Amino acid sequence: NAGVTQTPKFQVLKTGQSMTLQCAQDMNHNSMYWYRQDPGMGLRLIYYSASEGTTDKGEVPNGYNVSRLNKREFSLRLESAAPSQTSVYFCASSEWVGENTGELFFGEGSRLTVL
Amino acid sequence: KNQVEQSPQSLIILEGKNCTLQCNYTVSPFSNLRWYKQDTGRGPVSLTIMTFSENTKSNGRYTATLDADTKQSSLHITASQLSDSASYICVVSPANSGYALNFGKGTSLLVTP
Repeated sequence: NAGVTQTPKFQVLKTGQSMTLQCAQDMNHNSMYWYRQDPGMGLRLIYYSASEGTTDKGEVPNGYNVSRLNKREFSLRLESAAPSQTSVYFCASSEWVGENTGELFFGEGSRLTVL
Repeated sequence: KNQVEQSPQSLIILEGKNCTLQCNYTVSPFSNLRWYKQDTGRGPVSLTIMTFSENTKSNGRYTATLDADTKQSSLHITASQLSDSASYICVVSPANSGYALNFGKGTSLLVTP
């Protein structure tokens, strides 16, 4: 009963390095999301994928790229990490309800530090 | 300006006591309002989802209320337990917004023995 699985859980990068955060869900949801959570701020949407084969920018997409590999997997890539990208990253999935996002199911988070 | 404001920012209560967390929002029109619980070091977990036409919804010892006229919601926790120690996040979904959700900053609750 895994739900949404993210890897890695922790990562330390140097400025300019690249990395990819992996996410997989086993609930057969069409929609997947990447959020970041910073102290004193609400969760902010980086990118989302409404369905397999589509991706769209969210509120804070700069410095990130995504790939919806298949219905289960949605990855987030930092091409050249910056200290401002130090954050906790959450992957989530949901179904679509009418015109809106359905109940979100979150992964456990990936804690990224950029030095 | 954040369209979802939560209060208090943090709260400490004794085990067994009740408490109420507040959420004020300016999002309008909206489709639904959600409450999530986030344990330290974990991802948020959904507690309740209320549409704009609902006034109250319960999930065990958690009861959420919604007043769409005053744009206020509250989360009431009854007979608190140590495991209720967490951050509680209010989220408002604008009507016909697609992917967009407005997240509050959360209320940090500590339940002490």
